[in-house]
Amino acid sequence: EPEVTQTPSHQVTQMGQEVILRCVPISNHLYFYWYRQILGQKVEFLVSFYNNEISEKSEIFDDQFSVERPDGSNFTLKIRSTKLEDSAMYFCASRGLAGVSYEQYFGPGTRLTVT
Amino acid sequence: RKEVEQDPGPFNVPEGATVAFNCTYSNSASQSFFWYRQDCRKEPKLLMSVYSSGNEDGRFTAQLNRASQYISLLIRDSKLSDSATYLCVVRGSGTYKYIFGTGTRLKVLA
Repeated sequence: EPEVTQTPSHQVTQMGQEVILRCVPISNHLYFYWYRQILGQKVEFLVSFYNNEISEKSEIFDDQFSVERPDGSNFTLKIRSTKLEDSAMYFCASRGLAGVSYEQYFGPGTRLTVT
Repeated sequence: RKEVEQDPGPFNVPEGATVAFNCTYSNSASQSFFWYRQDCRKEPKLLMSVYSSGNEDGRFTAQLNRASQYISLLIRDSKLSDSATYLCVVRGSGTYKYIFGTGTRLKVLA
């Protein structure tokens, strides 16, 4: 069964450092998403990406964040200068064509720890 | 009012019990509705979409009430393996954004 994969599973970084979180969405999916979940809190939408551009972003997704689909398979989230409050689980998700299915499928997540 | 609201629980039920969760949403134009389950420190896993006519998948039944803006999930014959947090997820009209509730914790006891 096709699945979303994410690397690394755990990333530890120092405050102020840049991190790149990687995702490989399901191969025939067209819409890609990043979410974060701070420990003990709800899953929060960060950004959606379609047709090689950001289609929507939340207030959390400020200038410190960027996303990219550098090739036909990877989808990355970059945090330019990490803060302590960026410590969270980051989930990538993908879904297929609108009008066919709006069901999202999630990767296993990257646990980001900022020290 | 929160965009998507759930009772956090926990709901502690014996094996074999029937349990129901509700979720309310504030945007009347919301278009798509889902239930996900999330195990501790794992990713959300799609349980089922929720359709206007209601739908069933084995022991799980989901209902949508657009007039009252709530969705429900019924689990029959609870198993120990059903212990998890159940997340209500809503997608608005004309938006790519999916809004998650805080989740309802279920513990099924032997």
